[in-house]
Amino acid sequence: EPEVTQTPSHQVTQMGQEVILRCVPISNHLYFYWYRQILGQKVEFLVSFYNNEISEKSEIFDDQFSVERPDGSNFTLKIRSTKLEDSAMYFCASSQPGQGTSYNSPLHFGNGTRLTVT
Amino acid sequence: AQKVTQAQTEISVVEKEDVTLDCVYETRDTTYYLFWYKQPPSGELVFLIRRNSFDEQNEISGRYSWNFQKSTSSFNFTITASQVVDSAVYFCALSPSYSGAGSYQLTFGKGTKLSVIP
Repeated sequence: EPEVTQTPSHQVTQMGQEVILRCVPISNHLYFYWYRQILGQKVEFLVSFYNNEISEKSEIFDDQFSVERPDGSNFTLKIRSTKLEDSAMYFCASSQPGQGTSYNSPLHFGNGTRLTVT
Repeated sequence: AQKVTQAQTEISVVEKEDVTLDCVYETRDTTYYLFWYKQPPSGELVFLIRRNSFDEQNEISGRYSWNFQKSTSSFNFTITASQVVDSAVYFCALSPSYSGAGSYQLTFGKGTKLSVIP
């Protein structure tokens, strides 16, 4: 079964540094997303991306964040100047049109990148 | 605004017991999707089920069953004859379905940590 892949699985960076998290969505999917989960807390929506532009974003997704689809396969999340509170698990997801079924979701999550800001 | 409440923060059961995880949601949308995800200690999000708001049939899949009640805005999840491998954090999530065919914006609950004791 096709998967959403995220690299790296764990990234450590220093406060103030720029970081880019990378994702390869499923090839025929049209919608792409980033979610984050601060340790021990709930998963939160950051942004959705469709047709080469942001379709929706949450209040968390401020000017420090940006997303890009630089080529036909990658989808990236950039944090310009990381803060300690950016430490979290970041999940990439992708989805396709179609109803799916109860047990076959059109929305697929990657395994996440754990970002640690020191 | 959408909201998902999982009032049970942690539950412990002895192996082979049945356990029900509660999920209550709030939305003004007339059509929406409800999801359950499992997050094992390794951290990935494992999709369990997606439900359309217009389909109130209860679902059973092996030891798992789901009770969707629109009248009480609840989508509860029952594990029958629990096993140690069921130990994980379980998240309930809600997405509007108007966002576009194939587009999802999930609002997650805070999760319920289930520990199954041998």
